[in-house]
Amino acid sequence: GAGVSQSPRYKVTKRGQDVTLRCDPISSHATLYWYQQALGQGPEFLTYFNYEAQPDKSGLPSDRFSAERPEGSISTLTIQRTEQRDSAMYRCASSLGTGVGTDTQYFGPGTRLTVL
Amino acid sequence: AQSVTQLDSQVPVFEEAPVELRCNYSSSVSVYLFWYVQYPNQGLQLLLKYLSGSTLVKGINGFEAEFNKSQTSFHLRKPSVHISDTAEYFCAVSENSGTYKYIFGTGTRLKVLA
Repeated sequence: GAGVSQSPRYKVTKRGQDVTLRCDPISSHATLYWYQQALGQGPEFLTYFNYEAQPDKSGLPSDRFSAERPEGSISTLTIQRTEQRDSAMYRCASSLGTGVGTDTQYFGPGTRLTVL
Repeated sequence: AQSVTQLDSQVPVFEEAPVELRCNYSSSVSVYLFWYVQYPNQGLQLLLKYLSGSTLVKGINGFEAEFNKSQTSFHLRKPSVHISDTAEYFCAVSENSGTYKYIFGTGTRLKVLA
């Protein structure tokens, strides 16, 4: 696609429910990133994929968080048993994947998650 | 582990005045440095990045930044700001260690006043 898209743009859920967020990266991009951004903070790294491989999960805050990219394109981030502290903007970005640590990332508009 | 500090959470400045947004980083290995801008209701977009070579990096919209290894800084500057520069600015760092992990600062909100 022309840019990175994310859906839904807004999600309100009740504590204890599971939510799945979706990211559709730029079609030629090998690398996909997920970030969590709390209000007034910068994006905080969660995980990234190179195609379907997930080399780094170190930023996932707990085992309630998981991400997939099964065919190396679209990715989902799932939060199980949501808690109020999970309320944040979740941002997805993609990059060409040609430069380790040097890539320009292209960000989607984000999904605003509110857990009641 | 690397970290990024943006000490100024908000910077008000009058239109056509110069501005400097500060960024300091900490890392035990060599780094790559980035500045991203976020306009209201939009995703982040790259302003400029330092990978190697000349320490003065020029980016889009008239912004530039200087990498200072001894002071571990990468401050962003613009000689004359416009109302349209009002946005949030994020500094980010990645380590030259074979990872795609990027660490962002907490952001500086630039407010340009008429």
